[in-house]
Amino acid sequence: EAQVTQNPRYLITVTGKKLTVTCSQNMNHEYMSWYRQDPGLGLRQIYYSMNVEVTDKGDVPEGYKVSRKEKRNFPLILESPSPNQTSLYFCASSLSTGALGEQYFGPGTRLTVT
Amino acid sequence: AQTVTQSQPEMSVQEAETVTLSCTYDTSESNYYLFWYKQPPSRQMILVIRQEAYKQQNATENRFSVNFQKAAKSFSLKISDSQLGDTAMYFCAFMKHTGGGNKLTFGTGTQLKVEL
Repeated sequence: EAQVTQNPRYLITVTGKKLTVTCSQNMNHEYMSWYRQDPGLGLRQIYYSMNVEVTDKGDVPEGYKVSRKEKRNFPLILESPSPNQTSLYFCASSLSTGALGEQYFGPGTRLTVT
Repeated sequence: AQTVTQSQPEMSVQEAETVTLSCTYDTSESNYYLFWYKQPPSRQMILVIRQEAYKQQNATENRFSVNFQKAAKSFSLKISDSQLGDTAMYFCAFMKHTGGGNKLTFGTGTQLKVEL
């Protein structure tokens, strides 16, 4: 089954404790992205990657890091989480061309930073 | 930069009735995609319908259809024969046709409630 998986689905942590949210897709997609969703703001792109070892900032990259060492994985790293990073996070993947731009979303990760 | 505006934070509709959700956008691009995504209480993002800007014909998917007005930069979603399962947050989204890493720019969402 074609899918994007994220782990963990729920996470409560404390300020300053480094964490990683994993994202993996099994569709051989080139493009992968991270979004955060906040009430009243919709979803905003944090980082994206167009292929292995190619990443770039989205609209709200501050406080986040990413890496793309393998095509299927695109982890999101919070080196020193702060309460303003409490949010719902989505990973998404898509083909670089074709498929009318359709993106596949993971199930989301609810992060709470206290 | 692109912006997407959804001016209706909340809407309600009676079961079996028709409802229209509005969306406007701003861009200098001539070729792009527009999408409506549904987010039920499970939080999963589900693609409802998409429109390619170069196509004049409005997209339709079963009970869902759009009214795409390119000159007015308007992209509304019509849901016919509303069902309880349509209760969800609906997001309008824009994507450039090429470049930009397939980035989606989302509106702030419309919470739709379908009532008995």
